[in-house]
Amino acid sequence: LAKTTQPISMDSYEGQEVNITCSHNNIATNDYITWYQQFPSQGPRFIIQGYKTKVTNEVASLFIPADRKSSTLSLPRVSLSDTAVYYCLVGALISSGSARQLTFGSGTQLTVLP
Amino acid sequence: SQTIHQWPATLVQPVGSPLSLECTVEGTSNPNLYWYRQAAGRGLQLLFYSVGIGQISSEVPQNLSASRPQDRQFILSSKKLLLSDSGFYLCAWRRGVGAFFGQGTRLTVV
Repeated sequence: LAKTTQPISMDSYEGQEVNITCSHNNIATNDYITWYQQFPSQGPRFIIQGYKTKVTNEVASLFIPADRKSSTLSLPRVSLSDTAVYYCLVGALISSGSARQLTFGSGTQLTVLP
Repeated sequence: SQTIHQWPATLVQPVGSPLSLECTVEGTSNPNLYWYRQAAGRGLQLLFYSVGIGQISSEVPQNLSASRPQDRQFILSSKKLLLSDSGFYLCAWRRGVGAFFGQGTRLTVV
């Protein structure tokens, strides 16, 4: 299983761009990288997912270098409501009849200040 | 559409009492299901996962057990709760390379 390492916490100000990096040195060829956002007392919510290079959706961008040993979640122009814990998850597609543990890292607490 | 339901949302139980948390998934068949626990200010700890009816894998030995009586039902149980069982419990359904989570159950053991 690919272990992930993230900073424990980050602070930012409203309107700034925030980049959160996740290290996954032993990522496997079939592994994808997924990022989640979690607010207190709620389940984690999917943000973005990618395999390599760059992925962008309406809320974030995900940058993955060629060696795929890390990934960076980029949140443009954060607001106070983006204060949450952000998790990166590395995992592969499920093959028929098999299971794969979904093990999350400790996450990054992002605090957006006014 | 595919959804995941988890209940109750909050629960206060005395030490030594039994526990049963239920999770159901709709709109899919033969899902991989997971139970996580999250202590206050901590990350997600994987407790159990299941690939099918009656198939349970335990990640952490403890005072809890899980069962999969039906394809889309996953139950977390305890015969006698401990104070250390307090936490936020999340059920998740594996979809593709990621997961979708229920809204969680806040369990307080008093």
